Amino acid sequence: GAVVSQHPSRVICKSGTSVKIECRSLDFQATTMFWYRQFPKKSLMLMATSNEGSKATYEQGVEKDKFLINHASLTLSTLTVTSAHPEDSSFYICSARRVAGIRTGELFFGEGSRLTVL
Amino acid sequence: GENVEQHPSTLSVQEGDSAVIKCTYSDSASNYFPWYKQELGKRPQLIIDIRSNVGEKKDQRIAVTLNKTAKHFSLHITETQPEDSAVYFCAAVGSYGSSNTGKLIFGQGTTLQVKP
Repeated sequence: GAVVSQHPSRVICKSGTSVKIECRSLDFQATTMFWYRQFPKKSLMLMATSNEGSKATYEQGVEKDKFLINHASLTLSTLTVTSAHPEDSSFYICSARRVAGIRTGELFFGEGSRLTVL
Repeated sequence: GENVEQHPSTLSVQEGDSAVIKCTYSDSASNYFPWYKQELGKRPQLIIDIRSNVGEKKDQRIAVTLNKTAKHFSLHITETQPEDSAVYFCAAVGSYGSSNTGKLIFGQGTTLQVKP
């Protein structure tokens, strides 16, 4: 149990286009999801906290108009990279917090999405 | 906000030896400290965690110790095996009411290489 699915796993796009990444908790409800960005051989940097039914909370230095986050249901959060540029190329990972049942409070990670902007 | 420092950045050990990775955190309100193992291109996998009301926890070859007063915690891997080679991250989560409530803040990571 406690599976988080992230899609797509890889995406290549042209500069200037927008890309949407989905994060789904498959067998549990997640009122809170987190989005991270990871550069090669670097740590995971928290970008924003996604709350179901309300606006996301962004970490300092993260452009909210650049990285649009929507958490429309208890099992789905989306990250849209708008007008992507090569510097947005990175590995994006979501995580979901289980709020009930076994392993309550633990964070479960999606598989990650590797974005390459040409 | 919370700041987590992790050392060393790289660690090379001989198979069978022990490996120790250390982390310090800045926010005394943090109360949950997980450790993750990440293989190249994969998601982080939780390997062990400890809460602030516990000083030590062990799971087979892996153990974690926590010193709340000094605000540091360590990962110990004994009898290392080549398949332990990966990047390890420590993290800290703030308790309710802290500036980092529920947020998982990662250390910089340690690349562990276990030589056969």
